[in-house]
Amino acid sequence: GDSVTQMEGPVTLSEEAFLTINCTYTATGYPSLFWYVQYPGEGLQLLLKATKADDKGSNKGFEATYRKETTSFHLEKGSVQVSDSAVYFCALMPKGGGADGLTFGKGTHLIIQP
Amino acid sequence: DAGVIQSPRHEVTEMGQEVTLRCKPISGHDYLFWYRQTMMRGLELLIYFNNNVPIDDSGMPEDRFSAKMPNASFSTLKIQPSEPRDSAVYFCASSSAGPIQHNEQFFGPGTRLTVL
Repeated sequence: GDSVTQMEGPVTLSEEAFLTINCTYTATGYPSLFWYVQYPGEGLQLLLKATKADDKGSNKGFEATYRKETTSFHLEKGSVQVSDSAVYFCALMPKGGGADGLTFGKGTHLIIQP
Repeated sequence: DAGVIQSPRHEVTEMGQEVTLRCKPISGHDYLFWYRQTMMRGLELLIYFNNNVPIDDSGMPEDRFSAKMPNASFSTLKIQPSEPRDSAVYFCASSSAGPIQHNEQFFGPGTRLTVL
């Protein structure tokens, strides 16, 4: 079945550091890919998405590029802030029409220190 | 719009008791999803509805779990009887299918369930 693997956390960085959170997937065909963010005590919010190969999703300084050849969708940000501290989830949705449920990775807890 | 509304936000109960979690999706959304989040298993899709009809319940862990959607603005997830291993955060999400596939799912704040 479909699956998403993302790097284990927690990831601890200093403010203004460069961020990469790795995500790889296994799926039939070409799914759509997503990054969701969960701030403490809240539900998940969509951060960015990409629906086909070589698409780049971007939002709030975060970027991720859909790499079909490596089945990856790594999340990057050039300069992180304390307010970016949260849990980040990589997810996929299979092609096939409709609005099927998302398959999530385990999540990566990001801690940004001032 | 108020977003997806879930109640209660926290629930503490004893093993063997019935638990009912509630969800109000965003008005106009025709898909509703129930997810469970635990440290061990991460986020898992339990069941989802389209136009109030259950489409895929393969993620429901066992017969103790049931979900209903009597109308477009309300859904329940029931656990009877509850067990300590059901302790988790349960999320409801909704989305609107349209001409564009893979529309964004909007999540509620979750219900943190603790079964003693």
